[in-house]
Amino acid sequence: SQQGEEDPQALSIQEGENATMNCSYKTSINNLQWYRQNSGRGLVHLILIRSNEREKHSGRLRVTLDTSKKSSSLLITASRAADTASYFCATDGYQAGTALIFGKGTTLSVSS
Amino acid sequence: DTEVTQTPKHLVMGMTNKKSLKCEQHMGHRAMYWYKQKAKKPPELMFVYSYEKLSINESVPSRFSPECPNSSLLNLHLHALQPEDSALYLCASSLLAGVAYNEQFFGPGTRLTVL
Repeated sequence: SQQGEEDPQALSIQEGENATMNCSYKTSINNLQWYRQNSGRGLVHLILIRSNEREKHSGRLRVTLDTSKKSSSLLITASRAADTASYFCATDGYQAGTALIFGKGTTLSVSS
Repeated sequence: DTEVTQTPKHLVMGMTNKKSLKCEQHMGHRAMYWYKQKAKKPPELMFVYSYEKLSINESVPSRFSPECPNSSLLNLHLHALQPEDSALYLCASSLLAGVAYNEQFFGPGTRLTVL
């Protein structure tokens, strides 16, 4: 079952530009996480935001969470070619946080 | 050691073969997971082990058989698979299952092709 829906499905930008990805979900959550996946590889955890937090920063990443709208956004500032990857939001809405439910993902391409 | 390892990296098998995927972590995590990921799709949960006991089976066909011999090791035994089972199989671990604030650490995956 899927919980999150990312928007857009694909995003192409130039190096140095900012990239914004959005995620909407359906049920109540304890936290929302963002993961990155380089082509055909494992996922890497980027950031976790709790339901009582509204914004969180980590390096060039900024995540916001609006629980009233059941949505989150991931902003990557000053993008680099190495940021080219698929980005997934994941929520813990499954069986009281036992496992993650991933959204469909946004494929980001950053060209130099 | 903050790494989840998976072997093999690639596996090609026939529909009558029996093979196993292996996953290992030495971070002291007590929850381990198997996910299946088809091309251009998100990972889909298959199994969750918590303290070496199977806690979630997402209605996975019996041709996939998980095993958790100890807290560091997770296997996925494969038998009589179908071509549609070809996918990237990802293993993950987290400190605990059933806890709200829980990031997962993923292995690089095994790319499985069933002929």
